[in-house]
Amino acid sequence: EVQLVESGGGLVQPGGSLRLSCAASGFTVSSNYMSWVRQAPGKGLEWVSVIYSGGSTYYADSVKGRFTISRDNSKNTLYLQMNSLRAEDTAVYYCAREVRGPAMDVWGQGTTVTVSS
Amino acid sequence: QSALTQPASVSGSPGQSITISCTGTSSDVGGYNYVSWYQQHPGKAPKLMIYEVSNRPSGVSNRFSGSKSGNTASLTISGLQAEDEADYYCSSYTSSSGRVFGGGTKLTVL
Repeated sequence: EVQLVESGGGLVQPGGSLRLSCAASGFTVSSNYMSWVRQAPGKGLEWVSVIYSGGSTYYADSVKGRFTISRDNSKNTLYLQMNSLRAEDTAVYYCAREVRGPAMDVWGQGTTVTVSS
Repeated sequence: QSALTQPASVSGSPGQSITISCTGTSSDVGGYNYVSWYQQHPGKAPKLMIYEVSNRPSGVSNRFSGSKSGNTASLTISGLQAEDEADYYCSSYTSSSGRVFGGGTKLTVL
């Protein structure tokens, strides 16, 4: 079964760091484009970052320079390293597999990040 | 990158058809045939409904269809059913190799 499972969310103080993980099963992360998408409480979806199968990475302006997307091919896992966190980064973070489009056809269940003192 | 523009809400009665618009610019919606649509029920992850403007993934009802004209894409749902009540989001590839979502549309089935 094709599945994504996120972990690593939690409560962190402003200025702090957190690393999210997204474990994949049923397909190979490194062979696909993989994205992170977030959703603030009561708000819409916001694209955060993508890593291409070739390794290129792209970021939304709102997180550029603070977040880093990466993957561990041996663990078939996607990561999002989040530094210098702000209150406005509070959201449910989803990882998603991209197919042609690019369209996100497989989503995880989400992990909640709360940035608050 | 500004969010794509969607109506905040639309409504329709069972059996009717509704259309949700998604307006961007020539740097995203108008520049590529890379528009996708997602359905999200409360507390759930989004579900892909349409990709590449008008293609349906396997398993998605043919009551859902997509189109595009210029900088505006549209999602049409025909034969509305109660289970279609959800939030809908459009998304597009952008000229900076990013992605951008619309603000979302709440569909109410009356």
